[in-house]
Amino acid sequence: AQSVAQPEDQVNVAEGNPLTVKCTYSVSGNPYLFWYVQYPNRGLQFLLKYITGDNLVKGSYGFEAEFNKSQTSFHLKKPSALVSDSALYFCAVRGNDYKLSFGAGTTVTVRA
Amino acid sequence: DAGVIQSPRHEVTEMGQEVTLRCKPISGHNSLFWYRQTMMRGLELLIYFNNNVPIDDSGMPEDRFSAKMPNASFSTLKIQPSEPRDSAVYFCASSGQGWTHTDTQYFGPGTRLTVL
Repeated sequence: AQSVAQPEDQVNVAEGNPLTVKCTYSVSGNPYLFWYVQYPNRGLQFLLKYITGDNLVKGSYGFEAEFNKSQTSFHLKKPSALVSDSALYFCAVRGNDYKLSFGAGTTVTVRA
Repeated sequence: DAGVIQSPRHEVTEMGQEVTLRCKPISGHNSLFWYRQTMMRGLELLIYFNNNVPIDDSGMPEDRFSAKMPNASFSTLKIQPSEPRDSAVYFCASSGQGWTHTDTQYFGPGTRLTVL
């Protein structure tokens, strides 16, 4: 079985400060990891994914994520947060089949 | 590209009524997924189609739920009869090839269903 844990329900940061959203995973075989963002009353938007290769993955809107195999983590980061980054963020993992397992989500609030 | 299209965006119905949700996947994608999102259970996969064929419907809650994909550009999720506990946001997603572990799923805007 595969699973994702997002240990923080909420993350609050000031605009201009670094933003980190944490994610750990459990999966059999090689992990394929994804981050999505959901704005109010909208669908999930793909941000980035890790398949193989460089552990630092760069994605949309200035976000990046670091894959750490020993810690089974895939934390999402942004060096300087914007108020418009306030949204719900989901981490997801896929193992050896087609199923994508999502975490419970982390609500990010960036204050001006 | 228009992305994944879902209709209606909002649906309010009364208990016992039939509800049909619609989805048009991204052109050229051959895998389609239906998800349900609730506060209590988060995102749940209901059913997965590959090349219009249902591959896994183990997530469908019960017999009241059914899904079809008559062609590569259209899918429906039907609830009959609907119950208040079916109230949720239903998402459709598509990807190029569901079998490929690296493939990205792209989500539609969702249908917010309220059953009174």
